[in-house]
Amino acid sequence: AQSVAQPEDQVNVAEGNPLTVKCTYSVSGNPYLFWYVQYPNRGLQFLLKYITGDNLVKGSYGFEAEFNKSQTSFHLKKPSALVSDSALYFCAVRGNYGGSQGNLIFGKGTKLSVKP
Amino acid sequence: NAGVTQTPKFRILKIGQSMTLQCAQDMNHNYMYWYRQDPGMGLKLIYYSVGAGITDKGEVPNGYNVSRSTTEDFPLRLELAAPSQTSVYFCASSSRDRGETQYFGPGTRLLVL
Repeated sequence: AQSVAQPEDQVNVAEGNPLTVKCTYSVSGNPYLFWYVQYPNRGLQFLLKYITGDNLVKGSYGFEAEFNKSQTSFHLKKPSALVSDSALYFCAVRGNYGGSQGNLIFGKGTKLSVKP
Repeated sequence: NAGVTQTPKFRILKIGQSMTLQCAQDMNHNYMYWYRQDPGMGLKLIYYSVGAGITDKGEVPNGYNVSRSTTEDFPLRLELAAPSQTSVYFCASSSRDRGETQYFGPGTRLLVL
């Protein structure tokens, strides 16, 4: 069965420091991987995705993620954190409901807290 | 450009009442999804649709129904509300391509008392 794990419930970072939010996945076949961000009382906003190609994916707001097939990981990174990056981050993998399309299977989310 | 819209934003229901959560998208997307988000959990798929007139169950469909009469609209129906249905409900849509991004609405917060 396909699944996503986000091992950290919360990540605390000082503003200006680099941040990493971890994600590992389990899928059969090639993975389609996504990162979303959720601000309080808001919907999910797309950050970036990996479908194929370069293992380093660049996304919105200066975020990037590195796909590592051997470690089945897709960690989210940013070189210099901002207080405004504080939010809930979800990693997701494409599931199988919907035939050739597919729903998203989400991790439980990681709360990122960036302190001034 | 509105994207995916959901109404209402918040609703309180009594046990046994029914209601419809509305979802609409203006991106001409074929695929639409309903998810629920419970505290400390990721989103789980309730129902999905691959086009007008075609719907199917997701991971947690019990207690819900859907219809898809047009490309734009994908309402979710709760027939007999139960406390276990207290959650935040998100609607999402995407185009046909498998690698396409899903775009989410702002959510409907539902409290069943």
